[in-house]
Amino acid sequence: EDQVTQSPEALRLQEGESSSLNCSYTVSGLRGLFWYRQDPGKGPEFLFTLYSAGEEKEKERLKATLTKKESFLHITAPKPEDSATYLCAVASGGSYIPTFGRGTSLIVHP
Amino acid sequence: NAGVMQNPRHLVRRRGQEARLRCSPMKGHSHVYWYRQLPEEGLKFMVYLQKENIIDESGMPKERFSAEFPKEGPSILRIQQVVRGDSAAYFCASSPPHDSYEQYFGPGTRLTVT
Repeated sequence: EDQVTQSPEALRLQEGESSSLNCSYTVSGLRGLFWYRQDPGKGPEFLFTLYSAGEEKEKERLKATLTKKESFLHITAPKPEDSATYLCAVASGGSYIPTFGRGTSLIVHP
Repeated sequence: NAGVMQNPRHLVRRRGQEARLRCSPMKGHSHVYWYRQLPEEGLKFMVYLQKENIIDESGMPKERFSAEFPKEGPSILRIQQVVRGDSAAYFCASSPPHDSYEQYFGPGTRLTVT
């Protein structure tokens, strides 16, 4: 059974204070690792898909990286509007059904 | 290009009533997924459908819950005889036929059972 663990559960940063969110996973045959952003009362918003170890993707202040056991979401010089819950999910084997972690709640103070 | 649409956004039902949640996928998407989200449990997969077919319903409770995705019209998640434990946010996601790993979510339906 696929397992996804995200840490920390909650993170408070000052505006401009860079940091990283961690997603550790255990799967049998990774097909893809996904990052989503979820704002309160809204659906998850797709950010990135990573397919193999060593892969990196960037979008504005966010950069996602992948190793064989974990993924990091690096946030560079965050702004208050980056405050949200960030979800990590993995799909494995022949399944299109991702397993989600519980998320990291990020608050960026001005 | 409109995103995934869900309605209603909020639904209140009394115990024992039926709840019907609707989802219209993004244009060009033929795969639909339903998830349930509880505050302390995160997103849990319920069912995966393609037009007129249930592909995977391994996350659906065995009783009271059903889902369909007809040839015409939205996908429907139906909960019969609702109980308080059914109160949650229900999200629908869709994906295109050529790449089913990337899913795009709707805004959700928040079901409250009183």
